[in-house]
Amino acid sequence: SQQGEEDPQALSIQEGENATMNCSYKTSINNLQWYRQNSGRGLVHLILIRSNEREKHSGRLRVTLDTSKKSSSLLITASRAADTASYFCATSHGGANSKLTFGKGITLSVRP
Amino acid sequence: DVKVTQSSRYLVKRTGEKVFLECVQDMDHENMFWYRQDPGLGLRLIYFSYDVKMKEKGDIPEGYSVSREKKERFSLILESASTNQTSMYLCASSPQVTDTQYFGPGTRLTVL
Repeated sequence: SQQGEEDPQALSIQEGENATMNCSYKTSINNLQWYRQNSGRGLVHLILIRSNEREKHSGRLRVTLDTSKKSSSLLITASRAADTASYFCATSHGGANSKLTFGKGITLSVRP
Repeated sequence: DVKVTQSSRYLVKRTGEKVFLECVQDMDHENMFWYRQDPGLGLRLIYFSYDVKMKEKGDIPEGYSVSREKKERFSLILESASTNQTSMYLCASSPQVTDTQYFGPGTRLTVL
């Protein structure tokens, strides 16, 4: 399966702490994306990182990509209760009409 | 802002009924997708469409069909609903197949 695997499955932290979530994949990628899903809602795109990039930032979010290890990390700094959600990585593996493949997600709980 | 809307947030149907789920996007995107999301399984692609009247099977197309008569509208059809099709259904659109996907709010379908 080309499906990315997120780690850990669940994470609980205190408000103000940093949250680190990981995604590993098995075959080479064109890009890797992170999405957030609030309970019972659709997914919202956070960051896209291409295979030739190593790090990207967006506000309190930092994504790294290590293609040699076939892994990516999403860091949320200074977490807030509003960051409580499920986070998914999605990978694109190239080829015409190559579709995104989503992982099973990480549940993040940020305690006030 | 890209907007993807789905016809219903919640839907309850009986076994054997024909069910239509509709999705509309307002950003002139070429590509549209239907996923189902189940606990522990993540998002699984049912069908996608890369142009009007064009469709491709995803990972789990059995029991479903789709229709795309206009660029902005992508319909998912359950020809004869079964209880194992109880799920959250998510529609998405994107300008390129491997680009950022924009999701609708989801339809939670219950088949009794």
